[in-house]
Amino acid sequence: GAVVSQHPSRVICKSGTSVKIECRSLDFQATTMFWYRQFPKQSLMLMATSNEGSKATYEQGVEKDKFLINHASLTLSTLTVTSAHPEDSSFYICSARLLAGYLETQYFGPGTRLLVL
Amino acid sequence: SQELEQSPQSLIVQEGKNLTINCTSSKTLYGLYWYKQKYGEGLIFLMMLQKGGEEKSHEKITAKLDEKKQQSSLHITASQPSHAGIYLCGADYGSQGNLIFGKGTKLSVKP
Repeated sequence: GAVVSQHPSRVICKSGTSVKIECRSLDFQATTMFWYRQFPKQSLMLMATSNEGSKATYEQGVEKDKFLINHASLTLSTLTVTSAHPEDSSFYICSARLLAGYLETQYFGPGTRLLVL
Repeated sequence: SQELEQSPQSLIVQEGKNLTINCTSSKTLYGLYWYKQKYGEGLIFLMMLQKGGEEKSHEKITAKLDEKKQQSSLHITASQPSHAGIYLCGADYGSQGNLIFGKGTKLSVKP
């Protein structure tokens, strides 16, 4: 089946630094990718929808200046957490949308665990 | 082999009919999440189950977790076209807090 990778899988950074997370669709092109955030023991929350070649659509309450999303190609979307703070520590997961004719499937990456000290 | 098996892969039902989607884990679950995805949109959280034997309902959707905490079912009563979409179960095994997802069930409801 289709594969979506995320890099890095884990990252520890100091408060105030920026962290970039990559989401790649390895064997298909994805015009749309989604970024989710999951706090410990809580459900996934959709942060934003990333569309190739255009600006991301952010969910209510998500700061677009803090969580920068770039979908520069059909196989890569990046999420940059700018000036990270301990409250940004979380599990970030992306998914990529695959369209094949009239069929649509969404594949999830393995996630990135961010710890901000 | 997949830790989490979801079945069926796809389902087509007539409007008004009941249906059940199953999610089976090879390991004991810490928690089980059900999500729905409408075409072209992100995941919509439906319910989370944590206790063995737990059952939760929201409108016409009921989810159960068995006593052994290895199997969950999602039941939709009197299905409507608005129920159409992809249903995903996500397993929390309690180690890192991340979810392992099933492959999803694509539900179509014929008017």
